[in-house]
Amino acid sequence: GAGVSQSPRYKVAKRGQDVALRCDPISGHVSLFWYQQALGQGPEFLTYFQNEAQLDKSGLPSDRFFAERPEGSVSTLKIQRTQQEDSAVYLCARMIAGALSSEVLWASEQYFGPGTRLTVT
Amino acid sequence: AQSVTQLGSHVSVSEGALVLLRCNYSSSVPPYLFWYVQYPNQGLQLLLKYTSAATLVKGINGFEAEFKKSETSFHLTKPSAHMSDAAEYFCAVTRGAQKLVFGQGTRLTINP
Repeated sequence: GAGVSQSPRYKVAKRGQDVALRCDPISGHVSLFWYQQALGQGPEFLTYFQNEAQLDKSGLPSDRFFAERPEGSVSTLKIQRTQQEDSAVYLCARMIAGALSSEVLWASEQYFGPGTRLTVT
Repeated sequence: AQSVTQLGSHVSVSEGALVLLRCNYSSSVPPYLFWYVQYPNQGLQLLLKYTSAATLVKGINGFEAEFKKSETSFHLTKPSAHMSDAAEYFCAVTRGAQKLVFGQGTRLTINP
Protein backbone atom coordinates (compact mmCIF):
# COMPACT_ATOMS: atom_id res chain seq x y z
CA GLY A 1 0.00 0.00 0.00
CA ALA A 2 0.85 3.65 0.21
CA GLY A 3 2.06 3.32 3.79
CA VAL A 4 -0.42 5.81 5.18
CA SER A 5 -3.39 4.92 7.35
CA GLN A 6 -6.20 7.28 8.21
CA SER A 7 -8.95 7.01 10.76
CA PRO A 8 -11.81 7.07 10.92
CA ARG A 9 -12.60 6.27 7.31
CA TYR A 10 -16.04 7.81 7.65
CA LYS A 11 -17.28 10.43 10.08
CA VAL A 12 -20.69 11.98 10.41
CA ALA A 13 -20.88 15.08 12.58
CA LYS A 14 -23.70 17.38 13.47
CA ARG A 15 -23.12 21.02 12.66
CA GLY A 16 -21.27 22.66 15.50
CA GLN A 17 -19.50 19.55 16.70
CA ASP A 18 -15.72 19.25 16.86
CA VAL A 19 -13.98 16.44 14.97
CA ALA A 20 -10.47 15.00 14.96
CA LEU A 21 -9.05 13.14 11.98
CA ARG A 22 -5.95 11.00 12.34
CA CYS A 23 -3.12 10.25 9.91
CA ASP A 24 -0.41 7.67 10.59
CA PRO A 25 2.43 7.46 8.04
CA ILE A 26 5.21 4.89 7.91
CA SER A 27 7.89 5.99 10.35
CA GLY A 28 10.94 7.56 8.81
CA HIS A 29 9.10 9.63 6.23
CA VAL A 30 9.49 13.11 7.52
CA SER A 31 7.10 15.14 5.41
CA LEU A 32 3.33 14.94 5.81
CA PHE A 33 0.61 16.79 3.95
CA TRP A 34 -3.12 17.31 4.44
CA TYR A 35 -5.49 17.97 1.55
CA GLN A 36 -9.24 18.61 1.37
CA GLN A 37 -11.21 17.12 -1.52
CA ALA A 38 -14.75 18.41 -1.98
CA LEU A 39 -17.20 16.30 -3.94
CA GLY A 40 -16.37 16.32 -7.63
CA GLN A 41 -13.24 18.43 -7.16
CA GLY A 42 -9.53 17.93 -7.09
CA PRO A 43 -7.72 17.85 -3.74
CA GLU A 44 -6.70 21.22 -2.30
CA PHE A 45 -3.71 21.74 -0.06
CA LEU A 46 -4.36 22.47 3.59
CA THR A 47 -1.09 22.20 5.50
CA TYR A 48 2.36 20.60 5.56
CA PHE A 49 4.69 19.26 8.24
CA GLN A 50 8.34 18.44 8.17
CA ASN A 51 8.89 16.31 11.25
CA GLU A 52 6.95 18.10 13.97
CA ALA A 53 7.31 21.55 12.41
CA GLN A 54 4.31 22.93 10.58
CA LEU A 55 6.03 24.75 7.71
CA ASP A 56 3.01 25.82 5.68
CA LYS A 57 -0.57 26.24 6.83
CA SER A 58 -1.63 28.65 4.15
CA GLY A 59 -4.38 26.35 2.89
CA LEU A 60 -6.33 26.06 6.11
CA PRO A 61 -9.68 27.65 5.27
CA SER A 62 -10.38 29.22 8.65
CA ASP A 63 -9.20 29.38 12.22
CA ARG A 64 -11.58 26.53 12.96
CA PHE A 65 -9.05 24.20 11.33
CA PHE A 66 -6.01 23.15 13.32
CA ALA A 67 -3.37 20.51 12.63
CA GLU A 68 -0.64 19.11 14.80
CA ARG A 69 2.10 16.51 14.70
CA PRO A 70 3.69 16.72 18.14
CA GLU A 71 6.17 13.85 17.85
CA GLY A 72 6.85 14.07 14.14
CA SER A 73 4.91 10.92 13.28
CA VAL A 74 1.13 10.73 13.71
CA SER A 75 -0.77 13.86 12.74
CA THR A 76 -4.22 15.04 13.72
CA LEU A 77 -6.40 17.46 11.81
CA LYS A 78 -8.98 19.06 14.07
CA ILE A 79 -12.02 20.97 12.91
CA GLN A 80 -13.90 22.96 15.50
CA ARG A 81 -17.57 23.91 15.25
CA THR A 82 -18.05 22.03 11.99
CA GLN A 83 -20.10 23.60 9.22
CA GLN A 84 -21.79 21.96 6.26
CA GLU A 85 -19.18 23.36 3.90
CA ASP A 86 -16.58 21.30 5.76
CA SER A 87 -18.09 18.14 4.27
CA ALA A 88 -15.35 16.63 2.15
CA VAL A 89 -12.78 13.86 1.98
CA TYR A 90 -9.66 14.72 3.94
CA LEU A 91 -6.54 13.15 2.49
CA CYS A 92 -3.19 12.70 4.14
CA ALA A 93 0.02 12.11 2.19
CA ARG A 94 3.60 11.29 3.02
CA MET A 95 6.55 12.37 0.99
CA ILE A 96 9.59 10.17 0.67
CA ALA A 97 12.52 11.61 2.53
CA GLY A 98 16.04 11.52 1.25
CA ALA A 99 17.36 12.40 -2.17
CA LEU A 100 20.33 12.06 -4.44
CA SER A 101 20.28 15.75 -5.08
CA SER A 102 18.29 18.81 -4.18
CA GLU A 103 16.47 18.62 -7.49
CA VAL A 104 15.31 15.08 -6.84
CA LEU A 105 14.05 16.11 -3.41
CA TRP A 106 11.84 18.77 -4.91
CA ALA A 107 10.32 16.23 -7.23
CA SER A 108 9.68 13.59 -4.62
CA GLU A 109 6.26 12.13 -5.04
CA GLN A 110 3.58 12.04 -2.40
CA TYR A 111 1.80 8.85 -1.34
CA PHE A 112 -1.75 9.18 -0.18
CA GLY A 113 -3.82 7.44 2.45
CA PRO A 114 -7.41 6.30 1.78
CA GLY A 115 -8.88 9.48 3.23
CA THR A 116 -11.55 10.29 5.79
CA ARG A 117 -14.97 11.17 4.42
CA LEU A 118 -16.52 13.80 6.67
CA THR A 119 -20.22 14.53 6.39
CA VAL A 120 -21.63 17.42 8.40
CA THR A 121 -25.39 17.31 8.82
CA ALA B 1 1.07 31.01 -9.06
CA GLN B 2 0.87 27.57 -10.51
CA SER B 3 -2.26 26.03 -11.90
CA VAL B 4 -3.45 23.03 -13.85
CA THR B 5 -6.36 22.75 -16.26
CA GLN B 6 -7.79 19.41 -17.21
CA LEU B 7 -9.87 19.62 -20.36
CA GLY B 8 -12.95 17.46 -20.15
CA SER B 9 -14.45 16.52 -16.82
CA HIS B 10 -15.70 13.27 -18.31
CA VAL B 11 -14.15 11.11 -21.02
CA SER B 12 -15.73 7.96 -22.37
CA VAL B 13 -13.94 5.43 -24.60
CA SER B 14 -14.56 1.90 -25.77
CA GLU B 15 -12.57 -1.00 -24.40
CA GLY B 16 -9.44 -1.39 -26.53
CA ALA B 17 -9.53 2.21 -27.78
CA LEU B 18 -6.94 4.92 -27.21
CA VAL B 19 -7.20 6.86 -23.97
CA LEU B 20 -6.24 10.54 -24.06
CA LEU B 21 -6.66 12.74 -20.99
CA ARG B 22 -5.60 16.34 -21.39
CA CYS B 23 -3.69 18.49 -18.92
CA ASN B 24 -2.31 21.99 -19.40
CA TYR B 25 -0.28 23.74 -16.77
CA SER B 26 0.71 27.25 -15.90
CA SER B 27 3.97 27.86 -14.12
CA SER B 28 6.51 30.65 -14.05
CA VAL B 29 9.32 28.21 -13.36
CA PRO B 30 10.08 24.75 -14.73
CA PRO B 31 7.38 22.55 -13.27
CA TYR B 32 7.31 19.07 -11.88
CA LEU B 33 4.17 17.32 -13.08
CA PHE B 34 2.28 14.27 -11.88
CA TRP B 35 -0.68 12.12 -12.84
CA TYR B 36 -2.65 10.38 -10.11
CA VAL B 37 -5.56 7.95 -10.35
CA GLN B 38 -8.35 7.64 -7.81
CA TYR B 39 -10.67 4.65 -7.59
CA PRO B 40 -13.98 4.99 -5.71
CA ASN B 41 -13.56 5.40 -1.95
CA GLN B 42 -9.80 5.21 -2.21
CA GLY B 43 -6.89 7.62 -1.98
CA LEU B 44 -4.79 8.81 -4.86
CA GLN B 45 -2.32 6.46 -6.53
CA LEU B 46 0.67 7.83 -8.42
CA LEU B 47 0.68 6.88 -12.11
CA LEU B 48 3.76 8.77 -13.28
CA LYS B 49 5.78 11.93 -12.83
CA TYR B 50 7.82 14.36 -14.95
CA THR B 51 10.96 15.80 -13.38
CA SER B 52 12.83 17.08 -16.45
CA ALA B 53 14.87 13.92 -16.97
CA ALA B 54 12.91 12.89 -20.08
CA THR B 55 9.96 14.41 -21.87
CA LEU B 56 8.21 11.08 -22.45
CA VAL B 57 7.39 9.44 -19.15
CA LYS B 58 6.17 5.90 -18.73
CA GLY B 59 4.08 4.96 -15.75
CA ILE B 60 2.21 2.05 -14.30
CA ASN B 61 -0.65 0.14 -15.92
CA GLY B 62 0.53 0.99 -19.44
CA PHE B 63 0.03 4.75 -19.13
CA GLU B 64 2.47 7.34 -20.41
CA ALA B 65 2.60 11.10 -20.69
CA GLU B 66 4.58 13.55 -22.79
CA PHE B 67 5.80 16.90 -21.51
CA LYS B 68 5.55 19.59 -24.21
CA LYS B 69 6.94 22.88 -23.01
CA SER B 70 5.87 24.77 -26.15
CA GLU B 71 2.26 23.73 -25.55
CA THR B 72 2.47 23.78 -21.72
CA SER B 73 0.88 20.36 -21.79
CA PHE B 74 1.29 17.02 -20.08
CA HIS B 75 -1.37 14.79 -21.63
CA LEU B 76 -1.88 11.24 -20.38
CA THR B 77 -2.31 8.41 -22.89
CA LYS B 78 -2.80 4.68 -23.03
CA PRO B 79 -2.91 2.81 -26.36
CA SER B 80 -5.63 0.34 -25.41
CA ALA B 81 -8.21 0.94 -22.68
CA HIS B 82 -9.14 -1.78 -20.23
CA MET B 83 -12.26 -1.95 -18.13
CA SER B 84 -10.13 -1.66 -14.99
CA ASP B 85 -8.95 1.80 -16.13
CA ALA B 86 -12.32 3.31 -15.21
CA ALA B 87 -11.54 5.85 -12.49
CA GLU B 88 -10.93 9.54 -11.79
CA TYR B 89 -7.63 10.94 -13.02
CA PHE B 90 -5.90 14.02 -11.64
CA CYS B 91 -3.04 16.04 -13.06
CA ALA B 92 -0.94 17.95 -10.52
CA VAL B 93 1.95 20.40 -10.55
CA THR B 94 4.56 21.51 -8.08
CA ARG B 95 7.59 23.71 -8.50
CA GLY B 96 9.52 22.55 -5.50
CA ALA B 97 7.40 24.24 -2.89
CA GLN B 98 6.30 20.67 -2.40
CA LYS B 99 2.58 21.17 -2.07
CA LEU B 100 0.73 19.75 -5.05
CA VAL B 101 -1.72 21.86 -7.04
CA PHE B 102 -4.32 19.60 -8.63
CA GLY B 103 -6.62 19.95 -11.60
CA GLN B 104 -10.36 19.37 -11.31
CA GLY B 105 -10.07 15.78 -12.44
CA THR B 106 -11.31 13.75 -15.40
CA ARG B 107 -13.64 10.82 -14.92
CA LEU B 108 -12.80 8.05 -17.37
CA THR B 109 -15.54 5.63 -18.36
CA ILE B 110 -14.81 2.50 -20.38
CA ASN B 111 -17.59 1.09 -22.55
CA PRO B 112 -17.59 -2.65 -23.22
